[in-house]
Amino acid sequence: QKEVEQNSGPLSVPEGAIASLNCTYSDRGSQSFFWYRQYSGKSPELIMFIYSNGDKEDGRFTAQLNKASQYVSLLIRDSQPSDSATYLCAVNKGTSGSRLTFGEGTQLTVNP
Amino acid sequence: DAGVIQSPRHEVTEMGQEVTLRCKPISGHDYLFWYRQTMMRGLELLIYFNNNVPIDDSGMPEDRFSAKMPNASFSTLKIQPSEPRDSAVYFCASSTGQSRNRVKLFFGSGTQLSVL
Repeated sequence: QKEVEQNSGPLSVPEGAIASLNCTYSDRGSQSFFWYRQYSGKSPELIMFIYSNGDKEDGRFTAQLNKASQYVSLLIRDSQPSDSATYLCAVNKGTSGSRLTFGEGTQLTVNP
Repeated sequence: DAGVIQSPRHEVTEMGQEVTLRCKPISGHDYLFWYRQTMMRGLELLIYFNNNVPIDDSGMPEDRFSAKMPNASFSTLKIQPSEPRDSAVYFCASSTGQSRNRVKLFFGSGTQLSVL
């Protein structure tokens, strides 16, 4: 079992819709959870982080964490074509120092 | 701030040659990370430093890979000898802060390495 798993996609949504990206992790001791966005040919960019169960909202983005079920999700409301990118889920175990383990990413396409 | 600076942006070399990738972290950041990204394996941590000291090099694939951080503003990742399977994008990232903040990474633009 991979430490961090994401639906590889690709995920395609129409402009204005809600895009839902999911991530599961294997280690129950994981403490910190991150979403990075990576445009084609570019470097990853941190867009959201969450540490506690529940929801965290930042503009059109909402991160959701459920530690009991070991999943993290990212919702993008009112999706825009500029949101088209690969979204990487990353997890830090806390006990593993500063090691951040990434999922393979979900490619999102928002169609105008 | 200029962000994390990596050089070169692209490197094409022949199998067996030595390759050196360079990174300048964001000023004031005390953590530096080297990642490798491929289609097959995604983004993998190779090694990271804290205050110029290597902390975790368990991701370094084999002895052909070595990394150094002689001072707070410079790090190198060296591959000697290089092999075609080393072809990938190599990212350097830096961070600072206590606890969870130290894994909020700022990535450089990456070096696209092609070993022929």
